[in-house]
Amino acid sequence: GENVEQHPSTLSVQEGDSAVIKCTYSDSASNYFPWYKQELGKGPQLIIDIRSNVGEKKDQRIAVTLNKTAKHFSLHITETQPEDSAVYFCAALNPRERDSNYQLIWGAGTKLIIKP
Amino acid sequence: DGGITQSPKYLFRKEGQNVTLSCEQNLNHDAMYWYRQDPGQGLRLIYYSQIVNDFQKGDIAEGYSVSREKKESFPLTVTSAQKNPTAFYLCASSISPGTGWNEQFFGPGTRLTVL
Repeated sequence: GENVEQHPSTLSVQEGDSAVIKCTYSDSASNYFPWYKQELGKGPQLIIDIRSNVGEKKDQRIAVTLNKTAKHFSLHITETQPEDSAVYFCAALNPRERDSNYQLIWGAGTKLIIKP
Repeated sequence: DGGITQSPKYLFRKEGQNVTLSCEQNLNHDAMYWYRQDPGQGLRLIYYSQIVNDFQKGDIAEGYSVSREKKESFPLTVTSAQKNPTAFYLCASSISPGTGWNEQFFGPGTRLTVL
């Protein structure tokens, strides 16, 4: 089955600098890659996503890139601010082996710390 | 206000007891999901439901049970058969299961501790 690896587990950057979080996946059948942000004591919230027919997507300070050949995708946050501090999860949508449905396979998460 | 609510926020249980976690949504979503979150790990799917009166096992369904009698409700029971139940439990919903493209909306979670 699909496996998603996420790095680093913790990332500390100076306010105003950029942050990059990387994920790799194993199954080339995966076709949708969302990124979620989880603030302390809350559930994850979608911040950006990308489909396999697109190489890059940008939304203000946040961007995601996808390299299908290498099977990796990355989250880029520019001009980081204190409110960007959170845990970020990547995921890959993969067809389930046992039935015809799809399932999100999640990375282990990256704790992003923005230093003032 | 539209959204997903989970209750309680914190739950303590003695070993050997069953406990039920509540999840309610007023987003009119067809699909609902239960995930388990452990430190240093990603979310793992316990059960999901695409429609009322139907649900499917996820990757770690052993020791858990669910029901989907109403569209807006998807309670999860953690039974005494679950060997390591202490974890953070997240409920989510999406518009329709379809191909899975749809955004999943999460509740605030329930932290279960077995004493």
